[in-house]
Amino acid sequence: ETGVTQTPRHLVMGMTNKKSLKCEQHLGHNAMYWYKQSAKKPLELMFVYNFKEQTENNSVPSRFSPECPNSSHLFLHLHTLQPEDSALYLCASSQDERRDTDTQYFGPGTRLTVL
Amino acid sequence: KQEVTQIPAALSVPEGENLVLNCSFTDSAIYNLQWFRQDPGKGLTSLLLIQSSQREQTSGRLNASLDKSSGRSTLYIAASQPGDSATYLCAGTNAGGTSYGKLTFGQGTILTVHP
Repeated sequence: ETGVTQTPRHLVMGMTNKKSLKCEQHLGHNAMYWYKQSAKKPLELMFVYNFKEQTENNSVPSRFSPECPNSSHLFLHLHTLQPEDSALYLCASSQDERRDTDTQYFGPGTRLTVL
Repeated sequence: KQEVTQIPAALSVPEGENLVLNCSFTDSAIYNLQWFRQDPGKGLTSLLLIQSSQREQTSGRLNASLDKSSGRSTLYIAASQPGDSATYLCAGTNAGGTSYGKLTFGQGTILTVHP
């Protein structure tokens, strides 16, 4: 399998549930990103990991907890979410976030609905 | 804080037309500027990356330009085709620091090319 994959593609959860989103990249990259895309709002960067180290937390509520066990995998752990957290969550990767010539490669996203 | 605005929000054109999508940003300290394409229910695909020292990039029927002094970028699509129908997003990286992966996105232009 190639590129950036995300599972699950669709997720419906209650406000008291705990779930995790998974992202895997097969491109040999070292930087991985989580974005949130809500209806009628610009795509918003949430977290950045470079060589497994978190380099950006864009003031994301603690009910979202990222994990990057290695450069190929990125998780987003979800707990006690709110209905306004319903959105498309996109994962991306790039070679190294310190390189100014890099572009980011995106996965297809996980459509999350919080009831 | 950098803000990116895209005009128009939606555009419908007949096949074969040349068209221009606009992107403006509030902070002229932008470093790189990228254009992405997003198909319904899918992730983003990078189209063009204009690096800091460049003023434009071309790929096939696409040409993107960047004018930092005026805070604007344009994406020109020549001889549009129905397959060009998608949402087009511009995103910028700010100068300063060592991270070039922190993208600020516009809200996108929804393009429909009808036969």
